[in-house]
Amino acid sequence: ETGVTQTPRHLVMGMTNKKSLKCEQHLGHNAMYWYKQSAKKPLELMFVYSLEERVENNSVPSRFSPECPNSSHLFLHLHTLQPEDSALYLCASSQDHSSGANVLTFGAGSRLTVL
Amino acid sequence: GQSLEQPSEVTAVEGAIVQINCTYQTSGFYGLSWYQQHDGGAPTFLSYNGLDGLEETGRFSSFLSRSDSYGYLLLQELQMKDSASYFCAVRDGGSYIPTFGRGTSLIVHP
Repeated sequence: ETGVTQTPRHLVMGMTNKKSLKCEQHLGHNAMYWYKQSAKKPLELMFVYSLEERVENNSVPSRFSPECPNSSHLFLHLHTLQPEDSALYLCASSQDHSSGANVLTFGAGSRLTVL
Repeated sequence: GQSLEQPSEVTAVEGAIVQINCTYQTSGFYGLSWYQQHDGGAPTFLSYNGLDGLEETGRFSSFLSRSDSYGYLLLQELQMKDSASYFCAVRDGGSYIPTFGRGTSLIVHP
């Protein structure tokens, strides 16, 4: 596989469930990102990892918990979510998190619906 | 903080030229990028401007004026497949991480 792969593509969960989103990049990049995309809103940055270390956490509620076990994999663990968390969650990667961040490669996203 | 403004929607006909503007307010500036996103798809990188002037990539060009905090994406010889959302993104001097605009929905009519 090439590029950035996200699974699952669609997820429906209840407010009491625990689930995880997975992202994998095959580009040899050192930085990975989670963005949230809601209707009629700009893409909202959630987390940034560089070489497996978190470098940015944009005041995200603790019900979202990221994990970056290595530079190729990024997870977003979800628990006790709210209906307003329903959105498209996009993973992206870049060569690095400084000048390389001018070019992000995105995955197709995980469409999350919270009932 | 930072903010980016771009029109919410632009319509045009096949074969035409369309310009999508982006104005920004940031503390420090490290580049303006453009992305295209089709419905149900991933945003894909189109163009980057770090310095003033025009960057051309095939039918797409992007322009930047740092003194005016302004840039635009120019799409020429429009095709139906160009119907998509277009986002500008700016890296500022605070976090260096790209901040995105709300996106412009481009609708191309036959």
